[in-house]
Amino acid sequence: GAVVSQHPSWVICKSGTSVKIECRSLDFQATTMFWYRQFPKQSLMLMATSNEGSKATYEQGVEKDKFLINHASLTLSTLTVTSAHPEDSSFYICSARGLPLGAKNIQYFGAGTRLSVL
Amino acid sequence: GQSLEQPSEVTAVEGAIVQINCTYQTSGFYGLSWYQQHDGGAPTFLSYNALDGLEETGRFSSFLSRSDSYGYLLLQELQMKDSASYFCAVGLTGGGNKLTFGTGTQLKVEL
Repeated sequence: GAVVSQHPSWVICKSGTSVKIECRSLDFQATTMFWYRQFPKQSLMLMATSNEGSKATYEQGVEKDKFLINHASLTLSTLTVTSAHPEDSSFYICSARGLPLGAKNIQYFGAGTRLSVL
Repeated sequence: GQSLEQPSEVTAVEGAIVQINCTYQTSGFYGLSWYQQHDGGAPTFLSYNALDGLEETGRFSSFLSRSDSYGYLLLQELQMKDSASYFCAVGLTGGGNKLTFGTGTQLKVEL
């Protein structure tokens, strides 16, 4: 099956610093990746759709300048949380749609990054 | 707007059968998926229904009724390792490849 690697798995940073999270598709090419945010005991909330070679599409209410997404290659998307604050502390998860592209929209998820902002 | 509602918690004993429901209000979607997520882990795909009816995959089965705006995940022969959160999800028509997830159900399997 498709494997998605996410790094780092856990990060602690000081308020005001920026944090970069990487999401890689290891054995397939992903023209589209997705970034989610998940608070404890809650569902996955889609933040943005990352498109290779073009700008990301952000969901309503998600600050583009706060959460920078870059999808420079077919196997790598990055999410940078800029000027992080304690309220940005959360579990961030990426996913990619698996191949072959068919009727089933199966997404493969990274292991997630737990961000704690002090 | 779009919404997929699930019970927040379900508790069952090992070896039992449990059904997790998903009721939805959407304008149109391609199919209903189910994902499992253990605490602190990645969601993993379990099952998919494109059409009405039952889909069986080992101990897990999933059902969809578009006319009733309702679906469920059925877990048989429950094991302790099935304790996790379960999410239904839909790919909305006109929504590209993105998925909208349900509120999630935390399943606790007890001895």
